[in-house]
Amino acid sequence: DGGITQSPKYLFRKEGQNVTLSCEQNLNHDAMYWYRQDPGQGLRLIYYSQIVNDFQKGDIAEGYSVSREKKESFPLTVTSAQKNPTAFYLCASSIAGLAYEQYFGPGTRLTVT
Amino acid sequence: AQSVTQLGSHVSVSEGALVLLRCNYSSSVPPYLFWYVQYPNQGLQLLLKYTTGATLVKGINGFEAEFKKSETSFHLTKPSAHMSDAAEYFCAVSEPGGTSYGKLTFGQGTILTVHP
Repeated sequence: DGGITQSPKYLFRKEGQNVTLSCEQNLNHDAMYWYRQDPGQGLRLIYYSQIVNDFQKGDIAEGYSVSREKKESFPLTVTSAQKNPTAFYLCASSIAGLAYEQYFGPGTRLTVT
Repeated sequence: AQSVTQLGSHVSVSEGALVLLRCNYSSSVPPYLFWYVQYPNQGLQLLLKYTTGATLVKGINGFEAEFKKSETSFHLTKPSAHMSDAAEYFCAVSEPGGTSYGKLTFGQGTILTVHP
């Protein structure tokens, strides 16, 4: 079955540590996205990538970094510079083009203490 | 810049009653519009979308939405609520021709509660 996998489901880290969240898709989609979800704030775009080896900052990119070395993979690193990293992180992918819906992974809940 | 407003962060209905979740957008051009549903601790699932053509769009699980350009609205409805409809619903918009290729802007979400 095609889909998006995110691992792990729950992640715990100490403040000051970098952490990388995994996102893999086997839908053959060109575009991939990372969102952050906080209660009552909807989804906010962190980074997106339309093609391998290229990505753009979203609305809240500060304190985050990404790479896109393979079409199937778009890992997100939450750095120690992110002031409030505890959140639910969602990865998505889509066919390139504005009329196409995004498909979402199950999410990773990151808790930093 | 485009924006999406969902009126009512919480909506409560009785089982069998009409569901109406409101979404208004601001966009400089007619946008593409989407409704997603999210169950607790899960990702988002597409309910329906409007791109072009018929303004009344039918989706999964008996939901439908109507694009009203004059009102800049895309409200989601279901004639008869079921307990399994309890979830959070998000309206989203993308803007054709914009520089933010492929980006979706999401509303704040509406939590739907269904009472027996």
